[in-house]
Amino acid sequence: GESVGLHLPTLSVQEGDNSIINCAYSNSASDYFIWYKQESGKGPQFIIDIRSNMDKRQGQRVTVLLNKTVKHLSLQIAATQPGDSAVYFCAEDGGEYGNKLVFGAGTILRVKS
Amino acid sequence: DGGITQSPKYLFRKEGQNVTLSCEQNLNHDAMYWYRQDPGQGLRLIYYSQIVNDFQKGDIAEGYSVSREKKESFPLTVTSAQKNPTAFYLCASSPDRVYYGYTFGSGTRLTVV
Repeated sequence: GESVGLHLPTLSVQEGDNSIINCAYSNSASDYFIWYKQESGKGPQFIIDIRSNMDKRQGQRVTVLLNKTVKHLSLQIAATQPGDSAVYFCAEDGGEYGNKLVFGAGTILRVKS
Repeated sequence: DGGITQSPKYLFRKEGQNVTLSCEQNLNHDAMYWYRQDPGQGLRLIYYSQIVNDFQKGDIAEGYSVSREKKESFPLTVTSAQKNPTAFYLCASSPDRVYYGYTFGSGTRLTVV
């Protein structure tokens, strides 16, 4: 079946540096992509989303890039802070007209002070 | 405040017993979802419902059952047929399409003793 995967299971960055978390997706029909942040013992929280008709979207300290040619999604976090330490998931709608989301395995981000 | 509430936060079950996890939302969302999360892994879809009195199996529905008698509520029963029920369970809701993303609850950690 279709799946969303991540290149790096764990990412360690120094506080203040920029972080880049990557995600590969396999369903070329996917139209909608989301990044979630999950802190330990809590439910995932929405960070930023992007539609397939865009290749970049910016939020506060975060940017999502979408490369449909190579089916790649990335999340960039500027000036990473200790509070950014969490598991980050990408998700896609699987091309089913927004029926449900398919989640990747997640990347652990550790911020070193 | 609008949100999605899962209860209890921690649940212990003896082998062979059924147990029901509660999920309530006051966001007026049409769709609701149940995911299972195991340590170091991503989210796997158990069941979802897009409308009252209707629900569909997800990827790992065996050993689980749900009901959707009210728009606000989507309880999940973990039956004795579920061979390895110890996990973190997440409930989510969304408008009829996921283009606004999911809102997640804070999760229920189920442990079989």
